Amino acid sequence: QQQVKQSPQSLIVQKGGISIINCAYENTAFDYFPWYQQFPGKGPALLIAIRPDVSEKKEGRFTISFNKSAKQFSLHIMDSQPGDSATYFCAASTSSNTGKLIFGQGTTLQVKP
Amino acid sequence: SAVISQKPSRDICQRGTSLTIQCQVDSQVTMMFWYRQQPGQSLTLIATANQGSEATYESGFVIDKFPISRPNLTFSTLTVSNMSPEDSSIYLCSVTIGTAFAYTFGSGTRLTVV
Repeated sequence: QQQVKQSPQSLIVQKGGISIINCAYENTAFDYFPWYQQFPGKGPALLIAIRPDVSEKKEGRFTISFNKSAKQFSLHIMDSQPGDSATYFCAASTSSNTGKLIFGQGTTLQVKP
Repeated sequence: SAVISQKPSRDICQRGTSLTIQCQVDSQVTMMFWYRQQPGQSLTLIATANQGSEATYESGFVIDKFPISRPNLTFSTLTVSNMSPEDSSIYLCSVTIGTAFAYTFGSGTRLTVV
């Protein structure tokens, strides 16, 4: 019930295309859903986050879509660039669970020039 | 957001020895966590470092193997004890500030046990 399932494991997109990464969760107590971007040799960096009271959040080329009834959320990267090539992790936490982040399995994105 | 300094950035250690990893933050933080990221894998929470008291460990992690200290609001250490090759991973410190849920991560310590 604490798991967050992420797919796909890897993704190859052409420059200018749309990258889509999906996550699903079971614990309905989760109320914070961030996405992290990790480059090799670096720690994860917060990219964008959403709370379940909204269905979509957009920041620049990055959009989170959230479907509370389906217990799913996804990251869309518009106009994907080679510099977006990294590993992306979805995560979830609950306000009542001391804020511990539970991570998805990760998606390695490669954007081809 | 907070700036986290994690030391060492990498190390190669002999099996059976111990390594202490330091996490220093440039501002007072509310929560400090230690995560493990095995090669090519996701992040798994080891424990929550509590100031002035024993850390709270997740299932599968024990204090004897991963003792943690947090003497103040800006500093914590994680020790990986009696290491085996299976402990080869990246160990990451993470913090939150106030009631915000924006976790900040250090760059990690890449540990190789030979």
